[in-house]
Amino acid sequence: DVKVTQSSRYLVKRTGEKVFLECVQDMDHENMFWYRQDPGLGLRLIYFSYDVKMKEKGDIPEGYSVSREKKERFSLILESASTNQTSMYLCASSPYRGGDYEQYFGPGTRLTVT
Amino acid sequence: AQKITQTQPGMFVQEKEAVTLDCTYDTSDPSYGLFWYKQPSSGEMIFLIYQGSYDQQNATEGRYSLNFQKARKSANLVISASQLGDSAMYFCAMREGQGGSYIPTFGRGTSLIVHP
Repeated sequence: DVKVTQSSRYLVKRTGEKVFLECVQDMDHENMFWYRQDPGLGLRLIYFSYDVKMKEKGDIPEGYSVSREKKERFSLILESASTNQTSMYLCASSPYRGGDYEQYFGPGTRLTVT
Repeated sequence: AQKITQTQPGMFVQEKEAVTLDCTYDTSDPSYGLFWYKQPSSGEMIFLIYQGSYDQQNATEGRYSLNFQKARKSANLVISASQLGDSAMYFCAMREGQGGSYIPTFGRGTSLIVHP
């Protein structure tokens, strides 16, 4: 069974704090993704990665950065959290670029920035 | 312009009845894939069904089927014999081929409530 885990289900941070969201997958997938989900807006891609140390911007990268030092781990970093980054954050993984494979999602982290 | 459009923000269905969730897409790429995911209140997205643009037959997975109408660019999800556990958000997603870097784009979702 593919498993994608995220470090926290709920997180409350203060404006200006540096926030780390961690995601780990155990199926040796090449691709990893970070999305944010807001009511009425669906899932919007923040960043994705095809390989270790490789990252590409998605649709809404502003205010975020990522790190992928190991294949199984993909971290999302909010350098200076702001209230408009309050959202649900979903991590996903999938095997191989260039094919039609479904994504496997983690349980999500609901982040509140006060 | 949105690449994936789900026009029904909310749907209601009686238990044991069938329900269709609409999805239309926009692409000029001849090679693409369409996915449906379910997101229960617990939050975890669950893959349901996939249809490739070159597939001749509509995809089916148990009680789920995908009504693929290529000319109309629609990929509606049909859930037969609805169950209370089908109450969830449902998302349609599209992966485009060479022009789209194989990254899926998601629609805004449809909330389905199944009544007993």
